[in-house]
Amino acid sequence: DTAVSQTPKYLVTQMGNDKSIKCEQNLGHDTMYWYKQDSKKFLKIMFSYNNKELIINETVPNRFSPKSPDKAHLNLHINSLELGDSAVYFCASSHRSAGTSGQETQYFGPGTRLLVL
Amino acid sequence: AQSVTQLGSHVSVSEGALVLLRCNYSSSVPPYLFWYVQYPNQGLQLLLKYTSAATLVKGINGFEAEFKKSETSFHLTKPSAHMSDAAEYFCAANTGTASKLTFGTGTRLQVTL
Repeated sequence: DTAVSQTPKYLVTQMGNDKSIKCEQNLGHDTMYWYKQDSKKFLKIMFSYNNKELIINETVPNRFSPKSPDKAHLNLHINSLELGDSAVYFCASSHRSAGTSGQETQYFGPGTRLLVL
Repeated sequence: AQSVTQLGSHVSVSEGALVLLRCNYSSSVPPYLFWYVQYPNQGLQLLLKYTSAATLVKGINGFEAEFKKSETSFHLTKPSAHMSDAAEYFCAANTGTASKLTFGTGTRLQVTL
């Protein structure tokens, strides 16, 4: 009955490789997010999709490409991995209602710990 | 631009003592405010949120927070700390623009016997 799930939980890879992280939510939410948490625990939003449309695209290298095949899934593909990409990546989801945007609770997945060697 | 400041990256309290974690926001528009908790190797879990309905907000696990517009603050408190409260706590703000959460840098709460 996991609400927001991510795979894999751990990812260790070499510099220059391409990797993907998958996220799925079974809450019926229409908005999904990717956050990056660095080694100092700082959390920063990367992307957000609402009903499969990209609505937030922060200053992120274009090696990072999100893809939302449907409202329940948001995947993150990373090309040419660099050492600085090592971090914990969190997926989250929420339900946006007209007139209450910003108040909704975002539900987070357990995170994917990426280590680039 | 909106920002969130958490004073004190590390707070240590004795079991049974008052917990006070500080959060200040900087915004031209009072935002919606959230406190999340992160236990080791886990995702973030919502403790409570302020959405302008009431300035004193009660959350889970005995935590509460008070929104003070004059002080641009949203400090988190708990009357009596428990060992299980040891975790990282994040304050976050959302002005409603595209549901973008801006997080503070986090405060690690340590609870000692």
